[in-house]
Amino acid sequence: SQKIEQNSEALNIQEGKTATLTCNYTNYSPAYLQWYRQDPGRGPVFLLLIRENEKEKRKERLKVTFDTTLKQSLFHITASQPADSATYLCAEQTGANNLFFGTGTRLTVIP
Amino acid sequence: DAGVIQSPRHEVTEMGQEVTLRCKPISGHDYLFWYRQTMMRGLELLIYFNNNVPIDDSGMPEDRFSAKMPNASFSTLKIQPSEPRDSAVYFCASTQDRGKGYTFGSGTRLTVV
Repeated sequence: SQKIEQNSEALNIQEGKTATLTCNYTNYSPAYLQWYRQDPGRGPVFLLLIRENEKEKRKERLKVTFDTTLKQSLFHITASQPADSATYLCAEQTGANNLFFGTGTRLTVIP
Repeated sequence: DAGVIQSPRHEVTEMGQEVTLRCKPISGHDYLFWYRQTMMRGLELLIYFNNNVPIDDSGMPEDRFSAKMPNASFSTLKIQPSEPRDSAVYFCASTQDRGKGYTFGSGTRLTVV
């Protein structure tokens, strides 16, 4: 069965630097990969979606890449700010509409 | 739009009692999902509906769990009887179509004592 893994449980980064989070999948290439942000006590909030045939997607300071050879998606936050501190979840979607989530990476941006 | 609305926000109940969680999806969203989140297992998909019809309930842990969607604007997740291991945060989410992001509610934190 498909597994989606976010290797880092936690990532600390200095304000102003670029944060890079990794998401790996183990078997077949998902049709879509999605990235969400979750703050404590709240539901996940959708950030970006990238399709299997897309290499890169951008939205303001956010960038997502999808490498089907490496079976990996990278999520970048440029010019990081303390307000970016949260847990970031990667999710894969294949076939039907089921969306399966990784366990998340908790990002802390240090002022 | 008010987003996906879940109630109650918190629920504390005794083992063996029936618990009903409620969800109102975003108007026009044809898909509705119930997820459960725990520290150990992360976000797990329990069941999803398309146009009010249950499509995949393979994630429902056991027969104690049931979900209904009587109309396009309302869904319930029921646990009967509840057990301490059901303690978790339960999220409802909706989306217009595949290939689009999901909108999650604020969740219901369930504690079974």
